[in-house]
Amino acid sequence: DQQVKQNSPSLSVQEGRISILNCDYTNSMFDYFLWYKKYPAEGPTFLISISSIKDKNEDGRFTVFLNKSAKHLSLHIVPSQPGDSAVYFCAASGMYSGGGADGLTFGKGTHLIIQP
Amino acid sequence: DAGVIQSPRHEVTEMGQEVTLRCKPISGHNSLFWYRQTMMRGLELLIYFNNNVPIDDSGMPEDRFSAKMPNASFSTLKIQPSEPRDSAVYFCASSLGTGGNQPQHFGDGTRLSIL
Repeated sequence: DQQVKQNSPSLSVQEGRISILNCDYTNSMFDYFLWYKKYPAEGPTFLISISSIKDKNEDGRFTVFLNKSAKHLSLHIVPSQPGDSAVYFCAASGMYSGGGADGLTFGKGTHLIIQP
Repeated sequence: DAGVIQSPRHEVTEMGQEVTLRCKPISGHNSLFWYRQTMMRGLELLIYFNNNVPIDDSGMPEDRFSAKMPNASFSTLKIQPSEPRDSAVYFCASSLGTGGNQPQHFGDGTRLSIL
């Protein structure tokens, strides 16, 4: 049973536009949510996180929004740049995550392609 | 600063052989995690350590898998005997403390192929 879902395997966006990546979760016990970016043949790189007590966190071009009632979060990238082309993973942490109290439960990723 | 270092980067071996994957966490980090990535299941946690002590190994698929952390700067994940279905990319990650507010930093992984 997937507790963290990224329903779009891929997303294509024009350079300079906004990229919006979505993530849904089922476990209400999650208390932290994170986004990771991954290039081929490299490990995931931490991008941005948000606590369950907040609804927005911003870092430069990256903003994460959390809607607890809908169990939904999204990552906005504005403006999108060619170097943003990568696979983006949504992850969640908290008790009973299935990954242990402190392990991360990952979605299956969304491949973002930024077109020039 | 050096990141998480994993070795080898690639491993190809025949089924039945013992496989040992190695990880050096970021200096000063006291939590270490092993993950496995497959096409079918994505990234899943296998085991994690806090201050060199295994905290949760519920993700370890079978008794053929074992992990150790003899000191703060080294961990191993061992598969004995290996099987073709163990083929995957294995990632090690470390963090300062536990909890989601301490982001995990990943190594570049070991791509394991069992023939």
